[in-house]
Amino acid sequence: GDSVTQMEGPVTLSEEAFLTINCTYTATGYPSLFWYVQYPGEGLQLLLKATKADDKGSNKGFEATYRKETTSFHLEKGSVQVSDSAVYFCALSGKGYSTLTFGKGTMLLVSP
Amino acid sequence: GAVVSQHPSRVICKSGTSVKIECRSLDFQATTMFWYRQFPKKSLMLMATSNEGSKATYEQGVEKDKFLINHASLTLSTLTVTSAHPEDSSFYICSATSGSTDTQYFGPGTRLTVL
Repeated sequence: GDSVTQMEGPVTLSEEAFLTINCTYTATGYPSLFWYVQYPGEGLQLLLKATKADDKGSNKGFEATYRKETTSFHLEKGSVQVSDSAVYFCALSGKGYSTLTFGKGTMLLVSP
Repeated sequence: GAVVSQHPSRVICKSGTSVKIECRSLDFQATTMFWYRQFPKKSLMLMATSNEGSKATYEQGVEKDKFLINHASLTLSTLTVTSAHPEDSSFYICSATSGSTDTQYFGPGTRLTVL
């Protein structure tokens, strides 16, 4: 079945550092890929998405490129801020058009 | 756009009572709504999928008689935790999607504490 694997956290960075959170997936067909962010005590917010190979999703300085050849959708940001501290979930929609399969989440902690 | 609300945001109840959580799509019609449960420092576990006007589809291991889901309109779904027990304490999150997209929009979550 479908699955998503994310790097384990927490990822601890200083402000303005470069961020990469790895995400790889296993799916049949051509899933859409998503990154969601969850701030403490809140629900999930859609950060970005990509629907086909080589698409790049971007939002708020975050980027991720849909790489079919490596089945990856790594999240990157050039310069993180303290306010980026949150848990980041990689997900795909595959089985059943809109059902999401989530990774386990990666906590990001950014210090001043 | 694509705002989903949940009510209440927090609820504390006594063991044996029932609790209803509402999930509303505020600016779009949600043909499908999802209910998730999230344990501390864990990912989201899909509990059930509901389509407006039809019975919810529950994931394996989720008791449908304990977690009653109703999706009576295109903007409202409710989750009722019946005869709640302390092990039902958790963070419950709903999401919604319209028929034209595979993107789910999430509510802010409801923290349930059963004493």
